[in-house]
Amino acid sequence: SQQGEEDPQALSIQEGENATMNCSYKTSINNLQWYRQNSGRGLVHLILIRSNEREKHSGRLRVTLDTSKKSSSLLITASRAADTASYFCATVPLQGAQKLVFGQGTRLTINP
Amino acid sequence: DAGVIQSPRHEVTEMGQEVTLRCKPISGHDYLFWYRQTMMRGLELLIYFNNNVPIDDSGMPEDRFSAKMPNASFSTLKIQPSEPRDSAVYFCASSLMGREKLFFGSGTQLSVL
Repeated sequence: SQQGEEDPQALSIQEGENATMNCSYKTSINNLQWYRQNSGRGLVHLILIRSNEREKHSGRLRVTLDTSKKSSSLLITASRAADTASYFCATVPLQGAQKLVFGQGTRLTINP
Repeated sequence: DAGVIQSPRHEVTEMGQEVTLRCKPISGHDYLFWYRQTMMRGLELLIYFNNNVPIDDSGMPEDRFSAKMPNASFSTLKIQPSEPRDSAVYFCASSLMGREKLFFGSGTQLSVL
């Protein structure tokens, strides 16, 4: 079963607005990663946050992690048309099978 | 760095035929992953290798699927015989840090008719 589940499944906003995507997971994790996938392309790693971290920034990206709620959020500030893509969270469980498990993704559309 | 290279980019075949997908990981990376992506099931991990050794193949759907990594710069995923339900995008990914920061290839779009 999928470890991470993104919410919403699809998001459409105007260029310049901020976009927030959420990810929930079921078991304790070692780390959580966010990836972007442009249409017809492979996934690109964006950012990794470890279980002992609460927030991380990379350029216009801000990721938060709440291990008590088993959830993470990805914020993209000042969105651009080029940010149009699908965004996936992926988790590495703390115990058990050490697999990177991806959620179903959020389809983000930035309207010019 | 050329990134992870997969071939072919597209493959159309008939049910029952053998299909071989190829992957060249990034030089120096010691982990290689094969994923399958469909609308219904999302991204599924099929198998992964560490230092050319298969570590976990529990995601391989059936005996029709097999994967090899004869050396650090090449891996294959073979489906024999292929079935229409195998139609999907197959991704290869490599990493230097295990299950952290995977680098994905562009994928192989497989259509089994």
